[in-house]
Amino acid sequence: GENVEQHPSTLSVQEGDSAVIKCTYSDSASNYFPWYKQELGKRPQLIIDIRSNVGEKKDQRIAVTLNKTAKHFSLHITETQPEDSAVYFCAALPREVTFGTGTKLQVIP
Amino acid sequence: ETGVTQSPTHLIKTRGQQVTLRCSSQSGHNTVSWYQQALGQGPQFIFQYYREEENGRGNFPPRFSGLQFPNYSSELNVNALELDDSALYLCASSPASGGGPNEQFFGPGTRLTVL
Repeated sequence: GENVEQHPSTLSVQEGDSAVIKCTYSDSASNYFPWYKQELGKRPQLIIDIRSNVGEKKDQRIAVTLNKTAKHFSLHITETQPEDSAVYFCAALPREVTFGTGTKLQVIP
Repeated sequence: ETGVTQSPTHLIKTRGQQVTLRCSSQSGHNTVSWYQQALGQGPQFIFQYYREEENGRGNFPPRFSGLQFPNYSSELNVNALELDDSALYLCASSPASGGGPNEQFFGPGTRLTVL
């Protein structure tokens, strides 16, 4: 089955700085890579996703890059704001979602 | 907010009891997946249902079982509850299965506490 590793487990940045979270996956059949933001006590919410036929995708301050050869993908958040503070999960799937272990992002005002 | 609903929101049970959790999928979605999220961890895939049939299962014992109904709503049943079953149980619906992965929409979850 798929195995997804995620780093770092915690990340503190100053407001306005950039944050980068990295994930690797093992199953070469995985072709869809969503990123979820989960605030305390709430459901995971999709913030951006990328499919294996695309190398990069941007949505305002958020971008995701995918390197299929190396089997890794990354989330980039620019101009971080305090409301970006949450736990972020990467995931990979050919069918069911396999989540990474999560990154707790703290944006310090 | 997604159109996925779950009930109940919270539940307290004791060891050895049985529990049924319910999920209503978003309109137009025929695939439901269930996940267990222990405190401080990422969600773990339990199983997926597509058109009333189990369509994939994670590393969970047989005492975790499920159903999907003709209206695509779903139930998760857990027998012989153990303390480690305490977790947030999430269901997610998506528009299709088999033709490739699609975005999953998560419900708010059911918080199960086993004493």
